[in-house]
Amino acid sequence: DIQMTQSPSSLSASVGDRVTITCQASQDISNYLNWYQQKPGKAPKLLIYDASNLETGVPSRFSGSGSGTDFTFTISSLQPEDIATYYCQQYDNLLRTFGQGTKVEIK
Amino acid sequence: QVQLQESGPGLVKPSQTLSLTCTVSGGSISSGSYYWSWIRQPAGKGLEWIGRIYTSGSTNYNPSLKSRVTISVDTSKNQFSLKLSSVTAADTAVYYCAREWLAMGHAFDIWGQGTMVTVSS
Repeated sequence: DIQMTQSPSSLSASVGDRVTITCQASQDISNYLNWYQQKPGKAPKLLIYDASNLETGVPSRFSGSGSGTDFTFTISSLQPEDIATYYCQQYDNLLRTFGQGTKVEIK
Repeated sequence: QVQLQESGPGLVKPSQTLSLTCTVSGGSISSGSYYWSWIRQPAGKGLEWIGRIYTSGSTNYNPSLKSRVTISVDTSKNQFSLKLSSVTAADTAVYYCAREWLAMGHAFDIWGQGTMVTVSS
């Protein structure tokens, strides 16, 4: 099975800061990687699909990059409404696997 | 727009079978562009994909749960369902149904609001 290692598990940053989250796959998954945002008590929301494609309606301060085994998710300028937990998810095979999540807080 | 809504008992006894239904509104579950999945999340923990079904009835399951999981579809009711047998306290979680869009990175683009299921006697 493909394992996804996401880091850090949590981070604290100031409004306006650039925030970066990484996700590493245990084997090559090409660009088969999606990113989600989950706010407390809510269902996850798709932000990025196929590693770098922004879902319709998602602010452009969110971006994703990477291929193979190493992926990066970036918030270019952290906003108060971005407080949430972020998950990566791979779909390389018939099993869908999520990363452990990164909780983003405001400093 | 398409919406998903989970329904089912919020409390299940240990060793019994958990049964949930997801009703799809605003679109057809028979569209060939999507798979329909179940995902769960224990309190304070991450997301675990349980399995998925295609409109044809073809299924894929998480190997860690495969022996206990059955997902089925009822196209006449625009619903798909989850059955998880022999539940224990470890199966206590919020259960989500979600749409997997094949043309968009196989991403889960639409989710239900989630339903909390507690396994307890």
